[in-house]
Amino acid sequence: AQSVTQLDSHVSVSEGTPVLLRCNYSSSYSPSLFWYVQHPNKGLQLLLKYTSAATLVKGINGFEAEFKKSETSFHLTKPSAHMSDAAEYFCVVSDRGLGGSQGNLIFGKGTKLSVKP
Amino acid sequence: GAGVSQTPSNKVTEKGKYVELRCDPISGHTALYWYRQSLGQGPEFLIYFQGTGAADDSGLPNDRFFAVRPEGSVSTLKIQRTERGDSAVYLCASSLRPSTDTQYFGPGTRLTVL
Repeated sequence: AQSVTQLDSHVSVSEGTPVLLRCNYSSSYSPSLFWYVQHPNKGLQLLLKYTSAATLVKGINGFEAEFKKSETSFHLTKPSAHMSDAAEYFCVVSDRGLGGSQGNLIFGKGTKLSVKP
Repeated sequence: GAGVSQTPSNKVTEKGKYVELRCDPISGHTALYWYRQSLGQGPEFLIYFQGTGAADDSGLPNDRFFAVRPEGSVSTLKIQRTERGDSAVYLCASSLRPSTDTQYFGPGTRLTVL
């Protein structure tokens, strides 16, 4: 079965410094992996997705993530944090049933990113 | 174009009551998903529709929960005999097709059971 583990429940950075949000996955199949962001009182927004093309995936707002099969990781990074990046971030794997794909998403518990001025 | 919409945005009910939550997916999207997000947790899958049929309802917690999508567009999540533990944000998402297509989420319905 597929699963994701977000290694930090809370990350705090200063504005202008790099962001690293860590995620490890478990999957019996070639996984599809996503990062979603959830701002307070707003809906989930897709940041980026990996679907077995390039291992370095670029997303919106300057975020990117690298798929590392050997480490079963899909960490999210951004070179320079902005105050508007403060939000909850979810690492997500797409569930695939035996013999094919189903498509429902399996979410990690989330990492709350705080950005200090 | 219009995104996924959900109504109501907030619902407060009493224990034991029946509630219906509505989801309007993006026009043309064949796949529709329901998730539940409890406080401090990531969303958890409830049920997935491909067209009018429920392709996977393995996430529904018990038989008090039921969902329909009679015409392959709008979906309604129905909860009977609500319990305080049902309090959560119920999220709906749609995608053009299932599998690896991007799921677009609605803003959610916050359900509070007193």
